[in-house]
Amino acid sequence: DVKVTQSSRYLVKRTGEKVFLECVQDMDHENMFWYRQDPGLGLRLIYFSYDVKMKEKGDIPEGYSVSREKKERFSLILESASTNQTSMYLCATAGGGLLAKNIQYFGAGTRLSVL
Amino acid sequence: DQQVKQNSPSLSVQEGRISILNCDYTNSMFDYFLWYKKYPAEGPTFLISISSIKDKNEDGRFTVFLNKSAKHLSLHIVPSQPGDSAVYFCAASRGGSQGNLIFGKGTKLSVKP
Repeated sequence: DVKVTQSSRYLVKRTGEKVFLECVQDMDHENMFWYRQDPGLGLRLIYFSYDVKMKEKGDIPEGYSVSREKKERFSLILESASTNQTSMYLCATAGGGLLAKNIQYFGAGTRLSVL
Repeated sequence: DQQVKQNSPSLSVQEGRISILNCDYTNSMFDYFLWYKKYPAEGPTFLISISSIKDKNEDGRFTVFLNKSAKHLSLHIVPSQPGDSAVYFCAASRGGSQGNLIFGKGTKLSVKP
């Protein structure tokens, strides 16, 4: 079974704080993704990474950055948290290969509240 | 603009009956489609998928149908069970080597006992 672990289930931070969300996978997957989920908006891709130290912007990268120093770990960074970044954050991974790359496996999510 | 649309935010079905969840897409270059199920306070879990070269894929109580000419896919759940109550997301693969997905906004399914 694929295991995707997000370091925190719930986080409360103050406006302006730097926030780190961590994600670790145990399946040696090449591809890792960060999404946010908001009511009525579905899942929106923030950033993704297809290899160590490689990153690509998704659909809503503004206000976020990422780090992938090791294959199993993908971090999402909010440089200066704002209230509009209050959301559920979901990490996902996918393997390589023609079909495997399409199936993403998700962590349990981190519910972040920025006050 | 929304490339993957789930036009019904919610659906209520009686236990034992069929649930049909619909999804429309706009980009004919999408080559792979997936359905995910999500319970509250959990991450989405992969349910079933279909390649664009097929028109049907079945897995137990779940069947996905793809109509490429109409750019429409649907998920059928037969028979529906109360444990199926969740939010269902339709997703399409943008292609390329990373397999990025575009998700619809989701449909909340409630199965009444």
